[in-house]
Amino acid sequence: DSGVTQTPKHLITATGQRVTLRCSPRSGDLSVYWYQQSLDQGLQFLIQYYNGEERAKGNILERFSAQQFPDLHSELNLSSLELGDSALYFCASSQGGGQGGELFFGEGSRLTVL
Amino acid sequence: KNQVEQSPQSLIILEGKNCTLQCNYTVSPFSNLRWYKQDTGRGPVSLTIMTFSENTKSNGRYTATLDADTKQSSLHITASQLSDSASYICVVSWLGNAGNMLTFGGGTRLMVKP
Repeated sequence: DSGVTQTPKHLITATGQRVTLRCSPRSGDLSVYWYQQSLDQGLQFLIQYYNGEERAKGNILERFSAQQFPDLHSELNLSSLELGDSALYFCASSQGGGQGGELFFGEGSRLTVL
Repeated sequence: KNQVEQSPQSLIILEGKNCTLQCNYTVSPFSNLRWYKQDTGRGPVSLTIMTFSENTKSNGRYTATLDADTKQSSLHITASQLSDSASYICVVSWLGNAGNMLTFGGGTRLMVKP
């Protein structure tokens, strides 16, 4: 158990809809990262938050947005969903703001868009 | 451009055999390199970290090597077990303008057969 909690574990929705994925980091970790992993693909970095502020941005679509709340949990919002958005979405956390430390990953949220 | 290339993309070996996975990177300036193990449908878990001054590091049956001059790392698995079946991801940390950044390799998918 990494200590990172993601909900929901599975989500099935239709094209055009909007969903919210939630992540609670490990106790004491200030950074939260979001990654997308499509079927049989590598992990694609979406965005990082550190202590409530956006720290780094990767290949995140404009239809996607995220935020980190004062209690350090984070939410990833996916809107106007397309079939290609079907993927595993992982949240990871680390202690510091730099990306040199070990990442602790959650078990992922599997999104299926029909 | 900062890139991390892993080879082979996939590998099938018999239980009890050894194997070596490769990771070549072009990132600069280098900070550290981690190998993660990702079981199917699960979040990645860190196996080992290599810093610039380290050549070899072991974690049980896993041994990682690093050649900072040629920018190559390898992960050697000894006496493979069925539970070693997973994707192995090489992640390199480098120093960017905003601090340490990460570049992920595409992973090597290992299947251990009885």
